[in-house]
Amino acid sequence: AQSVTQLGSHVSVSEGALVLLRCNYSSSVPPYLFWYVQYPNQGLQLLLKYTTGATLVKGINGFEAEFKKSETSFHLTKPSAHMSDAAEYFCAVSRGGGSYIPTFGRGTSLIVHP
Amino acid sequence: GAGVSQSPSNKVTEKGKDVELRCDPISGHTALYWYRQSLGQGLEFLIYFQGNSAPDKSGLPSDRFSAERTGGSVSTLTIQRTQQEDSAVYLCASSLDWDRNTGELFFGEGSRLTVL
Repeated sequence: AQSVTQLGSHVSVSEGALVLLRCNYSSSVPPYLFWYVQYPNQGLQLLLKYTTGATLVKGINGFEAEFKKSETSFHLTKPSAHMSDAAEYFCAVSRGGGSYIPTFGRGTSLIVHP
Repeated sequence: GAGVSQSPSNKVTEKGKDVELRCDPISGHTALYWYRQSLGQGLEFLIYFQGNSAPDKSGLPSDRFSAERTGGSVSTLTIQRTQQEDSAVYLCASSLDWDRNTGELFFGEGSRLTVL
């Protein structure tokens, strides 16, 4: 079985501040991990993914995430928030328990204040 | 097409009516997924098609829900005798098969269903 927990349904930051969105997963096998972003009235698009290899992965728009096996975490960060980063962010895991069907977290809404 | 296409984008229906939601995946993608997105609930898996294999229907919430995929391409999600709790955004996604894929899903913009 596999599962994802995203801590905080809403995260509020000031423009220029550090963005940190938390994701913890549960998986019985080495997981594939993903972050997706959803802008209003749009579908989800991939920000970044971890499959194998380097545990620090970089994605689009300056975001990055680090796979920490010992902590079962895959937190998403960005050094400096921009107003355009305001969106819903979803963490997902697959391959847990042999399933290739991604399981998604409940999402975190990022609010950016000027 | 260039991306995953879903129709209709919005559907308002009365309780008890049947609805059909359509998904046209990216050409060449053999895997197709349906998810339901409700406010504050994240994405709930509904059904998964992979090539000619039997679909994984383990996420369908009741027997009022069904889906088919014709010719390995277009998929239709059908909800019979709709209830108010069926109101949600229904998202379709497609991907390459797992031999060539590291898991990225490509999503459509969704079909927003409102049951009055």
